[in-house]
Amino acid sequence: DARVTQTPRHKVTEMGQEVTMRCQPILGHNTVFWYRQTMMQGLELLAYFRNRAPLDDSGMPKDRFSAEMPDATLATLKIQPSEPRDSAVYFCASGLGGVYNEQYFGPGTRLTVT
Amino acid sequence: DAKTTQPTSMDCAEGRAANLPCNHSTISGNEYVYWYRQIHSQGPQYIIHGLKNNETNEMASLIITEDRKSSTLILPHATLRDTAVYYCIVRGYNDYKLSFGAGTTVTVRA
Repeated sequence: DARVTQTPRHKVTEMGQEVTMRCQPILGHNTVFWYRQTMMQGLELLAYFRNRAPLDDSGMPKDRFSAEMPDATLATLKIQPSEPRDSAVYFCASGLGGVYNEQYFGPGTRLTVT
Repeated sequence: DAKTTQPTSMDCAEGRAANLPCNHSTISGNEYVYWYRQIHSQGPQYIIHGLKNNETNEMASLIITEDRKSSTLILPHATLRDTAVYYCIVRGYNDYKLSFGAGTTVTVRA
């Protein structure tokens, strides 16, 4: 049963610290997405990769967020420095792209910045 | 600008069919209707999608009106595990973005 995995599942950190979240997409999927979910804003797209290339990161605060795909099996989302307003659940999703482009979501990383 | 309108919440009795409506009156010809759901503390889960024909899979059925301005997701025999937020999303051909609105909170009661 192929699944998207995310680590860590929970992270508590202090303001100003660097946070790195990792995602392993489903093997063979060529699209990767990062979403953020808060009570106030709901689910928001932060970044989109296709064949490891970043095609859309317009949803990310550029000064503190960065997303990369070092290889096809790993996507990372980094926040430096973190702020309390970054507290949210961060989801990674992967898909095959193309016409139907169903997205398969991971379990999320719950981030709390104090 | 919201492309879909869904009721905020609805209740359903366990074992009965749950019919979830969605209005998408501004849908264009090449846009699909997708349904996802999010069970508490989990990531969203794909359910089904359609263009203009009715669709059915192991999870649900999707009924799209002839004018395509609205649709209904049907969970044929709701169980307690179907309690979740259900999102109706309109999405263009090859459009990578999923724009999640507020969805419908469905509570299945024993």
